[in-house]
Amino acid sequence: GQSLEQPSEVTAVEGAIVQINCTYQTSGFYGLSWYQQHDGGAPTFLSYNALDGLEETGRFSSFLSRSDSYGYLLLQELQMKDSASYFCAVRDRTGGFKTIFGAGTRLFVKA
Amino acid sequence: EAQVTQNPRYLITVTGKKLTVTCSQNMNHEYMSWYRQDPGLGLRQIYYSMNVEVTDKGDVPEGYKVSRKEKRNFPLILESPSPNQTSLYFCASSYVGRGRDEQYFGPGTRLTVT
Repeated sequence: GQSLEQPSEVTAVEGAIVQINCTYQTSGFYGLSWYQQHDGGAPTFLSYNALDGLEETGRFSSFLSRSDSYGYLLLQELQMKDSASYFCAVRDRTGGFKTIFGAGTRLFVKA
Repeated sequence: EAQVTQNPRYLITVTGKKLTVTCSQNMNHEYMSWYRQDPGLGLRQIYYSMNVEVTDKGDVPEGYKVSRKEKRNFPLILESPSPNQTSLYFCASSYVGRGRDEQYFGPGTRLTVT
């Protein structure tokens, strides 16, 4: 079947760097995306990896290793406003074009 | 402004009373999707559509229907809602296969079925 695993919670201090890991199982992997969701809000897109390697967008970077079925989101220079839930998601082209989300990682940023 | 709109934002209904949640996007996206979000379960895909008149089941389609008669609209229909469909629902849209898999989400619809 298809599944994604990510930690349920991560805590870090303001100004630090935090890494949120995601491992996936899917037969028709198309790409790995990351979304941020603040309480009461809708998910918003952060980053996407279709190929192996690192993608950098400002303070956020995302990494993918397709051979290991693994990716991570790296948040640098953490700010209080980064406290939110972070979801990894994959597209699966097996028999269609589904999107499968992980259960989410709740990030707490402390002063 | 590029956006996905959903209506209503909040809905309380009773078991068995048919309802429709509308979704519309103004970005000419081919792909549209419905998700439900429940605590601890992340977002689970209900149905998706790759283009007009093309719809397919996601992971949790039971009890839901969709249609895609126009590119911009993708309504979610609950023919006979039950309490286990109480959830937060999101509609989303994106391009397909253009090298950047970014889904745009609507603001969400909080549904309570009593």
